[in-house]
Amino acid sequence: EPEVTQTPSHQVTQMGQEVILRCVPISNHLYFYWYRQILGQKVEFLVSFYNNEISEKSEIFDDQFSVERPDGSNFTLKIRSTKLEDSAMYFCASGRDRSYEQYFGPGTRLTVT
Amino acid sequence: GNSVTQMEGPVTLSEEAFLTINCTYTATGYPSLFWYVQYPGEGLQLLLKATKADDKGSNKGFEATYRKETTSFHLEKGSVQVSDSAVYFCALSPDRNSGNTPLVFGKGTRLSVIA
Repeated sequence: EPEVTQTPSHQVTQMGQEVILRCVPISNHLYFYWYRQILGQKVEFLVSFYNNEISEKSEIFDDQFSVERPDGSNFTLKIRSTKLEDSAMYFCASGRDRSYEQYFGPGTRLTVT
Repeated sequence: GNSVTQMEGPVTLSEEAFLTINCTYTATGYPSLFWYVQYPGEGLQLLLKATKADDKGSNKGFEATYRKETTSFHLEKGSVQVSDSAVYFCALSPDRNSGNTPLVFGKGTRLSVIA
């Protein structure tokens, strides 16, 4: 069964460094999302992406964040200069069409020291 | 605004016990409602969904009914198994007419089932 994959599973970085989190959505899906979950808190929406552009973003998704679909298969989230408060589990999700079902990856745990 | 509140965990039950995890929501418009489950080391998996009032979603013995009058979507299972141990997330999609809008999640409830 097709699934969303994410790499790495765990990333440790120093404050101020750039990180890129990678996701491979399900191949025939058109809608892509990033969410994050700070430990012990809610899963929060960051950004959605469709037709090679951002379709919606939350207030969390500031200028330090960017997304890209560089090659038609990967979907990346970049944080330009990480802060301690960026430490969280980051989930990628994809959806095929205007249905409501989003398929989630296993997540990348980002630890900023 | 849109929000989801679910009962705090962890919840610990013996095998074959009855499970209820409460979920209430606040939303404008006509949301769709979901339960996602996260097994250890895995991603979020859709467990069940309901797209309009009085719909009942069901899967793997789990059920939840969309109750507009009480703005609730409580998850139930009649007899839990050890393999049901996981974190359960209630979520809503704010606008069922547009689709693919961002999900709004609750905090998650950890369920541990002991033999």
